[in-house]
Amino acid sequence: DIVMTQSPDSLAVSLGERATINCKSSQSVLYSSNNKNYLAWYQQKSGQPPKLLIYWASTRESGVPDRFSGSGSGTDFTLTISSLQAEDVALYYCQQYYSSPITFGQGTRLEIK
Amino acid sequence: QVQLQESGPGLVKPSETLSLTCTVSGDSIGSYYWTWLRQSPGKGLEWIGYSGNANYNPSLKSRVTISVDKSKNQFSLKMTSVTSADTAVYYCARAPGGGGWFGPWGQGTLVTVSS
Repeated sequence: DIVMTQSPDSLAVSLGERATINCKSSQSVLYSSNNKNYLAWYQQKSGQPPKLLIYWASTRESGVPDRFSGSGSGTDFTLTISSLQAEDVALYYCQQYYSSPITFGQGTRLEIK
Repeated sequence: QVQLQESGPGLVKPSETLSLTCTVSGDSIGSYYWTWLRQSPGKGLEWIGYSGNANYNPSLKSRVTISVDKSKNQFSLKMTSVTSADTAVYYCARAPGGGGWFGPWGQGTLVTVSS
């Protein structure tokens, strides 16, 4: 199984500041034949199901604000929130879909400083 | 706008079978793959399997069946021989693109395994 490890486990950022969450996979999730990274990011607010933010490592889902961006390739990935808003307080998860079983990171809790 | 809603018993006895149904509205169930996942404090988010191609998490494969009822626009999860380790919030979700990422998700339903 591919193990997904996120860092940090929790993060406190001031409103309007940048938030950065990292995700590392135990093996590459870059498929060489199409040069795509099989990685997604989700946001989960308290009492709600996860919500898809990004897939193919950097493609924003329709309706997701452009302050959310994904980057990285191979084994190292980053979710960046360019200017933190109060409504961004949540748990964030990365997920690989390169190989079965699909696996998730342990989550990063984002709070307001 | 597609919406998903899980339904089924919230309490299941150990060794019995967990059965959940996901009702899809606003989309045709024949157009995509659909999936079940679960979330527990101890194990985080765990993918269970997809409809359509019998692709299941190997750790659960011997106990899980996911089936589709196109006439009702529903898909279902059956998990046999449950234990307390199967206590979790169970989610259904759409899997665009033949599998991979998941969205949207249902609200989730808590299933507790206890006698």
